[in-house]
Amino acid sequence: EVRLVESGGGLVQPGGSLRLSCAASGFTFSSHWMHWVRQAPGRGLVWISRISTDGRRTHYADSVMGRFTISRDNAKNTLYLEMNSVRAEDTAVYYCARDMIVGRAFDIWGQGTMVAVSS
Amino acid sequence: DIQMTQSPSSLSASVGDRVTITCRASQTIDIYLNWYQQNPGKAPKLLIYSSSTLQSGVPSRFSGSGSGTDFTLTISSLQPEDFATYYCQQTYSTPWTFGQGTKVEI
Repeated sequence: EVRLVESGGGLVQPGGSLRLSCAASGFTFSSHWMHWVRQAPGRGLVWISRISTDGRRTHYADSVMGRFTISRDNAKNTLYLEMNSVRAEDTAVYYCARDMIVGRAFDIWGQGTMVAVSS
Repeated sequence: DIQMTQSPSSLSASVGDRVTITCRASQTIDIYLNWYQQNPGKAPKLLIYSSSTLQSGVPSRFSGSGSGTDFTLTISSLQPEDFATYYCQQTYSTPWTFGQGTKVEI
């Protein structure tokens, strides 16, 4: 079964750090670009970052540029999101998503992990 | 950034109704437009990619059309499991922006 499972969410204080993980299984992880998308409570979907198959190319939304870092370990089939200097507005469910090889869309999503930023 | 505007933001419909949701991009995005369905507390699910290509396993009552700046998602005969929120997404250029969502209610 093709699957993505996020972990690492929780409560963090403003200015703190957190690392999210996304474990992939059931497909060739190293063949797909991967993404992080977040959704604040009661709000819509917001794309925040993507990473190339080899990890050398990364892109970020302006809202997280310089604070968040996306990375991957193809040997461990795992995607990461390092979150630093977090703010209240970073409170959201964070989803990892797989980029289709053909189609430029997100065909597989994880179940999401909740990050709450509060003192 | 490319802004995606969906209309309506919400709609009420009945089982069996034909439902149409539109999505407009602030600049041309060719056919790089995807549609997702999201149920409360669940992850989004890809319905249609590249404007009109039905994702594997998605019922044929869903269809998409459009190119350039104007796109449409149509549900030909609404089923009980289709009551959800629908999002469009452009993947023409980063950041890959989503529309604000359309909630389809009973």
